[in-house]
Amino acid sequence: DVVVTQSPRSLPVTLGQPASISCRSSLSLVHSDGNTYLNWFHQRPGQSPRRLIYKVSIRDSGVPDRFSGSGSGTDFTLKISRVEAEDVGVYYCMQGTHWRSFGQGTKLEIK
Amino acid sequence: EVQVVESGGGLVQPGGSLRLSCAASGFIFSSYDINWVRQAPGTGLEWVSYISDSGSVMSFADSVKGRFTISRDNARNSVYLQMNSLRAEDTAVYYCTRGQPGTIDYWGQGTLVTVSS
Repeated sequence: DVVVTQSPRSLPVTLGQPASISCRSSLSLVHSDGNTYLNWFHQRPGQSPRRLIYKVSIRDSGVPDRFSGSGSGTDFTLKISRVEAEDVGVYYCMQGTHWRSFGQGTKLEIK
Repeated sequence: EVQVVESGGGLVQPGGSLRLSCAASGFIFSSYDINWVRQAPGTGLEWVSYISDSGSVMSFADSVKGRFTISRDNARNSVYLQMNSLRAEDTAVYYCTRGQPGTIDYWGQGTLVTVSS
């Protein structure tokens, strides 16, 4: 099974400051079709997760451009350029190349 | 509007069985994969099972392999997760999710399964 490891697990951030979350996979996420299936989700308390980014760096419709994804192979990063109050919650990366598996989650809170 | 709605959760004793249903609307159901993802109380997300758009390909997490089965009825726009030999560690909110190659793009609200005596 592919193990996906996120860090940090907890991320206190001051409003307006940047934030960064790392996601590492135990296997390369480059699929035989040439795509890299690494996704990012955001879950607010009491809500279902919502996808933010797919195929490493493609933002979903309606996702603010302060969110960006990058990386390749086994190492990936989600960056928020300026954290806003609505960004609190838990962020998960999910690999979709070798079936599916999620990282453990990163809880973002406002300092 | 894309919707996936789960049902069938509840309280079941260890060793018991439960069948979850997922009803979809707002999209061409037979063109999309479906995944079940669960979340135990206060913990993270765990992928549970996958079924392809035609129903010909299925996959399961090691934690449920041999105990859970998945099926779909494209005529009824529905997917089913049959859960047998349930354990306390299967207690979770179970989400039905719409899939595309390598991703999940829509999530239901989830249905709670509690395994307890």
